[in-house]
Amino acid sequence: GENVEQHPSTLSVQEGDSAVIKCTYSDSASNYFPWYKQELGKGPQLIIDIRSNVGEKKDQRIAVTLNKTAKHFSLHITETQPEDSAVYFCAVSGSARQLTFGSGTQLTVLP
Amino acid sequence: GAVVSQHPSRVICKSGTSVKIECRSLDFQATTMFWYRQFPKQSLMLMATSNEGSKATYEQGVEKDKFLINHASLTLSTLTVTSAHPEDSSFYICSAVLAGRYNEQFFGPGTRLTVL
Repeated sequence: GENVEQHPSTLSVQEGDSAVIKCTYSDSASNYFPWYKQELGKGPQLIIDIRSNVGEKKDQRIAVTLNKTAKHFSLHITETQPEDSAVYFCAVSGSARQLTFGSGTQLTVLP
Repeated sequence: GAVVSQHPSRVICKSGTSVKIECRSLDFQATTMFWYRQFPKQSLMLMATSNEGSKATYEQGVEKDKFLINHASLTLSTLTVTSAHPEDSSFYICSAVLAGRYNEQFFGPGTRLTVL
């Protein structure tokens, strides 16, 4: 089955700095790569996603890049704010439509 | 749009009792819903895939007789934890797939189950 690795597990940045979280996956047939933000006690919230026919996607301060050859994708958050502090999960999906999640990254933005 | 609700948000029960959790897609029809379990400081683990009008498909290691899933309509799936024990205490989250949005899953707010 699919194996997704996510790094780092914790990340602290100063407010205004950028944060980068990386994920690798094992199944070359995977074609959908979403990122979720989860705040304490809440369900995951989709913040950005990318499909295999696209290399990069941006939405305001958030961007995702995908390297299908190397089987890795990254989340980039620029101009971080304290409200960006949360746990971020990458996920991968293929033809089975099921999501396999990474282990999560606790992002802390220090004011 | 694409809002998913769960009820209840929190439940505390005694060991041996059964608990039902509802997952509803409020503004769309979902032919497929998923149920996840999340332990503290861990990732989401898929428990089962629920398809409207058919039996759920359970992931390896998930007891189908303990975690009963019913997807009776295009907007409602239920998860019943039967004869709950303290080790079943967890955060249960459902998601729903919007028709036409092939892989995209919309998640509910989760249900915190505590078994005493």
